[in-house]
Amino acid sequence: AQTVTQSQPEMSVQEAETVTLSCTYDTSESDYYLFWYKQPPSRQMILVIRQEAYKQQNATENRFSVNFQKAAKSFSLKISDSQLGDAAMYFCAYIASGANNLFFGTGTRLTVIP
Amino acid sequence: DAMVIQNPRYQVTQFGKPVTLSCSQTLNHNVMYWYQQKSSQAPKLLFHYYDKDFNNEADTPDNFQSRRPNTSFCFLDIRSPGLGDAAMYLCATSRDGRNSPLHFGNGTRLTVT
Repeated sequence: AQTVTQSQPEMSVQEAETVTLSCTYDTSESDYYLFWYKQPPSRQMILVIRQEAYKQQNATENRFSVNFQKAAKSFSLKISDSQLGDAAMYFCAYIASGANNLFFGTGTRLTVIP
Repeated sequence: DAMVIQNPRYQVTQFGKPVTLSCSQTLNHNVMYWYQQKSSQAPKLLFHYYDKDFNNEADTPDNFQSRRPNTSFCFLDIRSPGLGDAAMYLCATSRDGRNSPLHFGNGTRLTVT
C-alpha cells in the first residue's frame, strides 16, 4: 500500500531565509507523480509543485524547488527567500500513474517569522 | 475566475440528522472528488466521479453517499451523521484525473452536535 510520511508536524523559518520540508513515501510502483500542496489558513488548498518520477531533473517553480531522490523515496520541498505569505500547511502527495487516488501526508505547518 | 465553490463554509447538524454538502465548479473538469480531513490528519478520499462514473473508496462508510447531477455540481450526503463524522470536507476537481493537478474548494467544516 502506498503511504506518504511527513515527519515534521511544524516548522518555522525567518523571513527571507530558506527552509526545507521533508517527505518520504512508500510504493512498489515505478511510474508515479509527486506533489506539494499548500493550504493557507482558512483558504483553499493549491498546488505548489509537481514532479514526475520518470524525470531525473528536480522540479522548480520560482522560489520553490524539490529534491527528488527516487531510490530513497524522498521528496523534500525547499522554499527560498521565505515570505510571510508562505505561512501555511504544506501537504506532500503521491499518485500512481493511471490511478485516481491521490494519497496525502499528514502535513507540515510552516510559520514564517517576520 | 474559474473556481471550485463549496457551500456552506460551516455546517452544523444534529446527531443522526441527514445533511448535504454542495460543490460546484466552473472549470468544466471531468473529475470531481470528495475528501474528508480531520484535525491533524491527511485528507482522505471518500469517492470521486469521472464524468458520470461513480467510484467509491473501499473504506468509505455506507453512511456517505454522493450525487453528480451534471458536470458542474456534486453533492455529499451524510445520511445519519455521527460525532465521528465531524471534519472538514474538501471538494476538488481535476481535468482528467490521474496526474492532473487537483483544484480545491475552500471546504465545508461540519460540526455534529
